[in-house]
Amino acid sequence: DAGVIQSPRHEVTEMGQEVTLRCKPISGHDYLFWYRQTMMRGLELLIYFNNNVPIDDSGMPEDRFSAKMPNASFSTLKIQPSEPRDSAVYFCASSTPGLAKNIQYFGAGTRLSVL
Amino acid sequence: QQQVKQSPQSLIVQKGGISIINCAYENTAFDYFPWYQQFPGKGPALLIAIRPDVSEKKEGRFTISFNKSAKQFSLHIMDSQPGDSATYFCAAGDNNDMRFGAGTRLTVKP
Repeated sequence: DAGVIQSPRHEVTEMGQEVTLRCKPISGHDYLFWYRQTMMRGLELLIYFNNNVPIDDSGMPEDRFSAKMPNASFSTLKIQPSEPRDSAVYFCASSTPGLAKNIQYFGAGTRLSVL
Repeated sequence: QQQVKQSPQSLIVQKGGISIINCAYENTAFDYFPWYQQFPGKGPALLIAIRPDVSEKKEGRFTISFNKSAKQFSLHIMDSQPGDSATYFCAAGDNNDMRFGAGTRLTVKP
């Protein structure tokens, strides 16, 4: 398996533009998580899905952020409009419960720079 | 949101020394405590994990010590090597929730 695949790896955009980050979870995993990592705040959980349904979005910073999971193999995190303070590395992770007890497998991340 | 407190924020250890990172959690319902290792430019990857029915788990040079009554757990890296230099995250959770610590940047000097 190729693991969790995120795209793009790097994104540079200007303030006010829409940004869409993409994630393909590991096949068979029914949980998908979006995280944001910054030096100041560390690793923050933004939202997670179970079986394509958003379960907890309490970590989403504000209405400018939205996430969707139209099917089991694809999720997007959208920021509209983007602001410089959104600059961070965004990680997607997937997992499956059971014996593995929610071990999360992370993608390589998308480094977002908003100018 | 922060339910897991991790310390220190950064740590410098000489090669061959012991690295110790500490974490404390709040939610007594949590029953799974993993540690993740992250190298620059990569996503975090599971290193070792423990469940609360044991007080210690060892895998090679890495050991987790767990104190359920104090709601604390720690990672010990014995004989630390330069290749161990990375950011380490503790986490605590259950089947439906996982909270991460802020991370510890470990530097092992040769």
